[in-house]
Amino acid sequence: QKEVEQDPGPLSVPEGAIVSLNCTYSNSAFQYFMWYRQYSRKGPELLMYTYSSGNKEDGRFTAQVDKSSKYISLFIRDSQPSDSATYLCAMSFLYNQGGKLIFGQGTELSVKP
Amino acid sequence: DAMVIQNPRYQVTQFGKPVTLSCSQTLNHNVMYWYQQKSSQAPKLLFHYYDKDFNNEADTPDNFQSRRPNTSFCFLDIRSPGLGDAAMYLCATSRDRGAGTQYFGPGTRLLVL
Repeated sequence: QKEVEQDPGPLSVPEGAIVSLNCTYSNSAFQYFMWYRQYSRKGPELLMYTYSSGNKEDGRFTAQVDKSSKYISLFIRDSQPSDSATYLCAMSFLYNQGGKLIFGQGTELSVKP
Repeated sequence: DAMVIQNPRYQVTQFGKPVTLSCSQTLNHNVMYWYQQKSSQAPKLLFHYYDKDFNNEADTPDNFQSRRPNTSFCFLDIRSPGLGDAAMYLCATSRDRGAGTQYFGPGTRLLVL
């Protein structure tokens, strides 16, 4: 079983739709949770960074963490064609293992005009 | 702008011919990471440097080596590339070795013929 599971998609939505991206994980020692966006043939770009359970909002993006269920989500409101990319969830431990990130496989999102 | 730079962006090498990938950063971060990302897969950490302290992941093949001559530069050496080493190689940095955010470069895509 992978430590972090993420549906690879692809996910196709019309412009303006609300997008929900999800990851589950098995290791309860993860303390930090991140979402990265990766455009084709580019490096990952940090979108959201959260610690502990709850919600964090930044513009059209909301990150949600539920530690009791080992489940994290990223919501994109009013999706735009420019949001078309692969979204990677990532997790890390608290103060050990060198800040190592464990990534999900990534979900490929396509927003159609 | 402070950033993480990788050179070259594309590298073609022959089976068994040593290759070196380069990463530089203007962020003055203490930690530099090398990840391998194969097509449609999650990035996988190969190793990281905390200052001059080298930390190898247990499952990183001996074929992969790294050098960090100073704070700004880090190199990935593949001593004898095989076909299975064709991938995107991502360099990332973070200020410290805790659970801080990591900033990624654009990646070097390696093709092995």
